[in-house]
Amino acid sequence: DQQVKQNSPSLSVQEGRISILNCDYTNSMFDYFLWYKKYPAEGPTFLISISSIKDKNEDGRFTVFLNKSAKHLSLHIVPSQPGDSAVYFCAARGYNTDKLIFGTGTRLQVFP
Amino acid sequence: KAGVTQTPRYLIKTRGQQVTLSCSPISGHRSVSWYQQTPGQGLQFLFEYFSETQRNKGNFPGRFSGRQFSNSRSEMNVSTLELGDSALYLCASSLVSGGDIGELFFGEGSRLTVL
Repeated sequence: DQQVKQNSPSLSVQEGRISILNCDYTNSMFDYFLWYKKYPAEGPTFLISISSIKDKNEDGRFTVFLNKSAKHLSLHIVPSQPGDSAVYFCAARGYNTDKLIFGTGTRLQVFP
Repeated sequence: KAGVTQTPRYLIKTRGQQVTLSCSPISGHRSVSWYQQTPGQGLQFLFEYFSETQRNKGNFPGRFSGRQFSNSRSEMNVSTLELGDSALYLCASSLVSGGDIGELFFGEGSRLTVL
């Protein structure tokens, strides 16, 4: 049972434009939602998170939107830069635990 | 400060053998969790430890086990290795389990290849 889903395995965006990565979840008990960036053979790097009681969180070029009724969240990167090219994982966490449920990842490629 | 350290970084084993992977958390961190990354299954949760106690366990067979020591260092063990155990094993640490969401840090992983 895949509780966190990223339906787009890849995304290609031109430098300077907006990148939108999507994620869907099924468990309404998740407490926090997170986005991680990952390069091959490295550990995931935390990007941004959002509490289940919020609908938007912004940090520089990164904004995460949460739509609880649709059980959907998205990561917006504006403007996209070539250095943003990586695999992005959506993850969800329950209350009082470090256990993360990850999506399958979306490979973002930002081209000049 | 030093990050999460995982050893060994790379190792090759044959089917039927066992393997032990080690994780040293960031100094002061008491919570350690483990994940397996494979091309087919993505990142999957294995275990979570806090103060030497296992708090959560993922849906893996009993061949996968772990423990945490009093200094918060953690080890995981996989016995009777199968080809499908080939994966990147990632360790993450935080100050307290379920704490500040931005304070969970991952190591670079141990790449296990089973032949």
